[in-house]
Amino acid sequence: DAKTTQPNSMESNEEEPVHLPCNHSTISGTDYIHWYRQLPSQGPEYVIHGLTSNVNNRMASLAIAEDRKSSTLILHRATLRDAAVYYCILRLSGNTPLVFGKGTRLSVIA
Amino acid sequence: GAVVSQHPSWVICKSGTSVKIECRSLDFQATTMFWYRQFPKQSLMLMATSNEGSKATYEQGVEKDKFLINHASLTLSTLTVTSAHPEDSSFYICSAPGRVNQPQHFGDGTRLSIL
Repeated sequence: DAKTTQPNSMESNEEEPVHLPCNHSTISGTDYIHWYRQLPSQGPEYVIHGLTSNVNNRMASLAIAEDRKSSTLILHRATLRDAAVYYCILRLSGNTPLVFGKGTRLSVIA
Repeated sequence: GAVVSQHPSWVICKSGTSVKIECRSLDFQATTMFWYRQFPKQSLMLMATSNEGSKATYEQGVEKDKFLINHASLTLSTLTVTSAHPEDSSFYICSAPGRVNQPQHFGDGTRLSIL
């Protein structure tokens, strides 16, 4: 799987937007961009995914650069429950297993 | 609600014991399931892929005889840690792929502590 680069950690104030960046300069045309998060002592939780166009769902928004070499996960209003490790993962089409990097540890300050 | 159920969530046992972890897909059939291991403050590492009706595929460095995987049916995969030792203590997580190009579903994990 193509590699992604994320900051090790980020901090946000509660109720403010959070922009989590991810670089994936070696992405191929068939790679989907997936975001998962993992709360302490839990399995990963799906957040959002996309291929080329920006995506929105009830949890977050995904902004994908035009050249697809980077993307940004946007949490519109961070809450304390959003404190987690966020993983940006490139996944080949189909059902190949997700390969996790180190992710970004997001801290939310009340 | 959860689409992958993992059991037990927490196990403490003595060194030398074998421990079985179950992973069930709820309301859908999974011909393939993935097993991950996560040590404290580290990321998830893929251990193996279980395939219904055939042998599991193990990642490099994972001992097949140590981590026995059985994909007995289209909704159940089990991981047995045989003769567990303290260094096997970890957080084990199973996962099932969704439909093509759709999210992968994860269980809540099993925390294994070997004394």
